[in-house]
Amino acid sequence: GAVVSQHPSWVICKSGTSVKIECRSLDFQATTMFWYRQFPKQSLMLMATSNEGSKATYEQGVEKDKFLINHASLTLSTLTVTSAHPEDSSFYICSARDGGGVTNTGELFFGEGSRLTVL
Amino acid sequence: AQRVTQPEKLLSVFKGAPVELKCNYSYSGSPELFWYVQYSRQRLQLLLRHISRESIKGFTADLNKGETSFHLKKPFAQEEDSAMYYCALGGSYIPTFGRGTSLIVHP
Repeated sequence: GAVVSQHPSWVICKSGTSVKIECRSLDFQATTMFWYRQFPKQSLMLMATSNEGSKATYEQGVEKDKFLINHASLTLSTLTVTSAHPEDSSFYICSARDGGGVTNTGELFFGEGSRLTVL
Repeated sequence: AQRVTQPEKLLSVFKGAPVELKCNYSYSGSPELFWYVQYSRQRLQLLLRHISRESIKGFTADLNKGETSFHLKKPFAQEEDSAMYYCALGGSYIPTFGRGTSLIVHP
């Protein structure tokens, strides 16, 4: 099946610094990627939809200036947490859907997730 | 608006017991439904989708449009089934996930 790779898998940073998380589709092109935040034993909270070559669409309540999303190519989307604070500590997950063709079944492929800890 | 409801946050059963994880949805169009599973320390992955009408790892799910449900069932739970299960409404739209149900299967 298709593979989505996320990097880094975990990161610790100081309050006030910025952190970039990368999400790559390794063997398919992803015109759309989704960024989620997951709390322990809880649901996935959709943060934004990342569209290749255009601005991301943010969900209500998500600060777009704080969570910068860039989807510059069909295989890479990045999430930058700017001026991170301890309350931003969480597990961030990206997912992608195959961009097109007969294999576009609607299935989502997920990255491994990135554990962010802000001190 | 799309909505997926998983009423149980936690489901605890003993090995060999039947399991049913409930999922109800709200959607005005023709739904495309999925079950995703997240085992401990692993990424989320697709378990099954309604259009496939297949059984994966002994699990089945039938779409009931009358009851707007897509419950996940397994007749005999195994310890390795312990995981978080997410019901999702998707397809060509922004996917909507339920809050997830944590299934614990005791030996």
